[in-house]
Amino acid sequence: GAVVSQHPSWVICKSGTSVKIECRSLDFQATTMFWYRQFPKQSLMLMATSNEGSKATYEQGVEKDKFLINHASLTLSTLTVTSAHPEDSSFYICSATERGSTYEQYFGPGTRLTVT
Amino acid sequence: GENVEQHPSTLSVQEGDSAVIKCTYSDSASNYFPWYKQELGKGPQLIIDIRSNVGEKKDQRIAVTLNKTAKHFSLHITETQPEDSAVYFCAASDYKLSFGAGTTVTVRA
Repeated sequence: GAVVSQHPSWVICKSGTSVKIECRSLDFQATTMFWYRQFPKQSLMLMATSNEGSKATYEQGVEKDKFLINHASLTLSTLTVTSAHPEDSSFYICSATERGSTYEQYFGPGTRLTVT
Repeated sequence: GENVEQHPSTLSVQEGDSAVIKCTYSDSASNYFPWYKQELGKGPQLIIDIRSNVGEKKDQRIAVTLNKTAKHFSLHITETQPEDSAVYFCAASDYKLSFGAGTTVTVRA
């Protein structure tokens, strides 16, 4: 149980274009989803927290107009990187917290984004 | 905000030996302390966690200890195997997770 999927697993896009990453909780309802970014050989950095039906809360230094997050249902959250640049190339990972749980986060497999 | 420090950054052990990773945190409001294993190109996998009302927890070859007074917690892996080789992250949370920098563990056969 508690499986989180991400799609796509990897994506290559050209500079200036937008790319959407999906995060789904497959067998539970996720009241809260988190988006992280991880650069090579570094730790996970929280980008934003989203609750179903509410606007996402972004961490300091994360541009909300560049990283659009939508949490339209209890099983789906999307991250759209707008006007992507090479410096946005990274490993993006989502996690989800199950309804009724406060702490435990279930992580997705990650999406490797390369901007050329 | 929460600041989590993790040591060592790399750890090489002989198969069958034990591995210990230590973390400290700064925010006394943190009350949930998970440990994750991450293999190359994959998302983190929860291996064990501990809540602030518990001092120690064990699951087969893995154990975690927590000292809330000193604000530090540790991961112990006994009888290490080659498949234990990975990057391990500690984290502290009172809602949002703050991660340590990670420890690359290599188990030598």
